[in-house]
Amino acid sequence: GAVVSQHPSRVICKSGTSVKIECRSLDFQATTMFWYRQFPKQSLMLMATSNEGSKATYEQGVEKDKFLINHASLTLSTLTVTSAHPEDSSFYICSARWSRGSTEAFFGQGTRLTVV
Amino acid sequence: QKEVEQDPGPLSVPEGAIVSLNCTYSNSAFQYFMWYRQYSRKGPELLMYTYSSGNKEDGRFTAQVDKSSKYISLFIRDSQPSDSATYLCACSSGGSYIPTFGRGTSLIVHP
Repeated sequence: GAVVSQHPSRVICKSGTSVKIECRSLDFQATTMFWYRQFPKQSLMLMATSNEGSKATYEQGVEKDKFLINHASLTLSTLTVTSAHPEDSSFYICSARWSRGSTEAFFGQGTRLTVV
Repeated sequence: QKEVEQDPGPLSVPEGAIVSLNCTYSNSAFQYFMWYRQYSRKGPELLMYTYSSGNKEDGRFTAQVDKSSKYISLFIRDSQPSDSATYLCACSSGGSYIPTFGRGTSLIVHP
């Protein structure tokens, strides 16, 4: 399967600071990338969908000013958690697919964010 | 009611057992069905993907879809301790192709 690399795998930051998470498709061009949040023993909660070159589409209840998503190239999308608070602590996962008509999405390794 | 329902388990079985994992869904527009395996603190890995009703086999894994009852299954034959993980089902429609996930079933295969 295709490889999606997510970095960092783990980050600890102080309240009020911003954290950037990168998601790269290593061996294919990703026209669409998804960002998810996952709480312990819970399902993946879709936060936003981003298509290369256009603004991300956020799911209801997700603050776009707090979770900034950039998909500037076909191989890179970033999620920036701005002014992080302890309640933002979670497991964030990206996934990518190579065409809008593709049902197969490949996931990154996830990023464990802890805000102290 | 959630669109995709999945029993969180945990499901504990002895090595070598046949495992049956199941999901139900409510959206009749779903046409694509996936199973992902997620190890602890890792991203999900696509295991099986099927379109519409029917069976699909890949090694020890068999995915089954029954659209008439909105029921999907994953069978694992000759289960191994390395199969211990959380298994997530996902469904998507032909319109958005954006998957909706179940909450995952935790599987423990003990030696």
